[in-house]
Amino acid sequence: EDQVTQSPEALRLQEGESSSLNCSYTVSGLRGLFWYRQDPGKGPEFLFTLYSAGEEKEKERLKATLTKKESFLHITAPKPEDSATYLCAVQAVGGGSNYKLTFGKGTLLTVNP
Amino acid sequence: GAGVSQSPSNKVTEKGKDVELRCDPISGHTALYWYRQSLGQGLEFLIYFQGNSAPDKSGLPSDRFSAERTGGSVSTLTIQRTQQEDSAVYLCASSLGPGQRNEQFFGPGTRLTVL
Repeated sequence: EDQVTQSPEALRLQEGESSSLNCSYTVSGLRGLFWYRQDPGKGPEFLFTLYSAGEEKEKERLKATLTKKESFLHITAPKPEDSATYLCAVQAVGGGSNYKLTFGKGTLLTVNP
Repeated sequence: GAGVSQSPSNKVTEKGKDVELRCDPISGHTALYWYRQSLGQGLEFLIYFQGNSAPDKSGLPSDRFSAERTGGSVSTLTIQRTQQEDSAVYLCASSLGPGQRNEQFFGPGTRLTVL
């Protein structure tokens, strides 16, 4: 069974204080690993897709990296508007054409001014 | 529209009543997914539609749950005889078909409360 574990559950940072969120996964074969951002009362917003170990993607203050067992979401010099829940999800090979996502429970990030 | 839309945004119902939730995917997306997000839980896969193929219902928690997709576009998720444990946010997502960029784009969700 595919599993995704995110840590920490919650993280509080001061504005400008860089940090990383972790996503550990077990999957029979990885088709892709996805990061989403979710604001309260809204649906998840797509951030990145990573397909193979060693791959990195960047967007503004965010950088996602991937190994064979985990992914990190690095946040550089965060701002209060980066406060949200960050979700990690995996897509497994072997589901036929069903590209369903298996999600972790998320990391709630709060950035204080 | 530009994104996935869902209606209603909120639904309050009494235990035992039936409810219908609607999803309108991004134009041109052939794949459509329903997920459920319960308090303190991760998003849970419910059902998957791809074009005109038979849906993958492997995530539906009971036979009280069903879904259909008409004309390869709009989808309706129906929950019969609702129970309090059905209270959750129901999210719909769509993506391009298999073999293409398969990022899923989510709607705003329907918050269902069963009293």
